[in-house]
Amino acid sequence: KAGVTQTPRYLIKTRGQQVTLSCSPISGHRSVSWYQQTPGQGLQFLFEYFSETQRNKGNFPGRFSGRQFSNSRSEMNVSTLELGDSALYLCASSAGQNQPQHFGDGTRLSIL
Amino acid sequence: AQSVSQHNHHVILSEAASLELGCNYSYGGTVNLFWYVQYPGQHLQLLLKYFSGDPLVKGIKGFEAEFIKSKFSFNLRKPSVQWSDTAEYFCAVIPTGAGSYQLTFGKGTKLSVIP
Repeated sequence: KAGVTQTPRYLIKTRGQQVTLSCSPISGHRSVSWYQQTPGQGLQFLFEYFSETQRNKGNFPGRFSGRQFSNSRSEMNVSTLELGDSALYLCASSAGQNQPQHFGDGTRLSIL
Repeated sequence: AQSVSQHNHHVILSEAASLELGCNYSYGGTVNLFWYVQYPGQHLQLLLKYFSGDPLVKGIKGFEAEFIKSKFSFNLRKPSVQWSDTAEYFCAVIPTGAGSYQLTFGKGTKLSVIP
């Protein structure tokens, strides 16, 4: 079974731009979560989607948004990029609430 | 909201030494508990999980963890570490109640094993 796939692996953007990251979950997984990983703050929850609905949102500004498609694939968008948005963005999929989350390799976003 | 505390930021051990990494969580209800590992340059992988039942759970690569409900702890152990265990280890919790889908991580513990 293929794992969680995130594209692209690396991105370089400048302040003020916007970016879209993509995540394809494990086949059959309908829950997709996004996390931001930085050396200072560690792993922080962004949001979770299930059946195209956002069920949970972390404590991030409105510049961070996401969506999920009918095939469970998910995208995350960050608008008006700031230097502090430089991080590894991780996507995880799960078969259900009481099932473990499986992570992708992440997208490393660097803001210049 | 739940929170997770990992006591050690960086642990350095020699091969064959025993390992115990501390994890405490704060939450008023029942939780599912996880340990994840991130090897250098690789993605987060699930080491082991606790949902219910026997509080001593065994995971991959010889790791085990014990859930002590009264102490809100879920410490990770391995009797004899190897150089290949060098990685960062994350403890995580998620409430079991309906409407809770947020996995909360500790800050992580870096383990360096010296050959």
